[in-house]
Amino acid sequence: GAGVSQSPSNKVTEKGKDVELRCDPISGHTALYWYRQSLGQGLEFLIYFQGNSAPDKSGLPSDRFSAERTGGSVSTLTIQRTQQEDSAVYLCASSSDPGQFYGYTFGSGTRLTIV
Amino acid sequence: SQKIEQNSEALNIQEGKTATLTCNYTNYSPAYLQWYRQDPGRGPVFLLLIRENEKEKRKERLKVTFDTTLKQSLFHITASQPADSATYLCALLPGGSYIPTFGRGTSLIVHP
Repeated sequence: GAGVSQSPSNKVTEKGKDVELRCDPISGHTALYWYRQSLGQGLEFLIYFQGNSAPDKSGLPSDRFSAERTGGSVSTLTIQRTQQEDSAVYLCASSSDPGQFYGYTFGSGTRLTIV
Repeated sequence: SQKIEQNSEALNIQEGKTATLTCNYTNYSPAYLQWYRQDPGRGPVFLLLIRENEKEKRKERLKVTFDTTLKQSLFHITASQPADSATYLCALLPGGSYIPTFGRGTSLIVHP
């Protein structure tokens, strides 16, 4: 597609429920990132996928968080047993290789609210 | 610990003036430094990249400087316009890393 697409754009869910967030990167981009942004905070790195390599999961805050990337394209971030502190905007970004030269293209994010 | 600092206070300037935003870092040796613009409800948009061996980079009304001795990057918008009002974030990447670390951003408000 023309840009990075994320769905849903907004999600309200009850504490303790599981949620799935989806990211459709730009076609042909081999690198995909998930970040989250809390109100007034910077972007917090969560996970990085590069091609067929094992993902870098070093930013995942707990084992309730997981992500997968199927066929080198679409990615799903799953949060199990959601907590109120999980409320944030979850941003996905993709890049051609190497992203540090050409920048990272972000989606508009999923605003997750845990009630 | 590694730290990236951007002014948390909003920068208010008058249309036509030059806006200057600062990105300071400590305990970090970035090989690349990027600047992004973020509008409310949107993801960041890439603006400019500068490498550690470059002192200055320009793109239209934008200028970025990178001083590895001061551990600081300055981002300038000349002839600012109300449409430039947004939050501007810097992102640092060490050499060999593909994971950018972002600052919290500075809000710029350009008054007509």
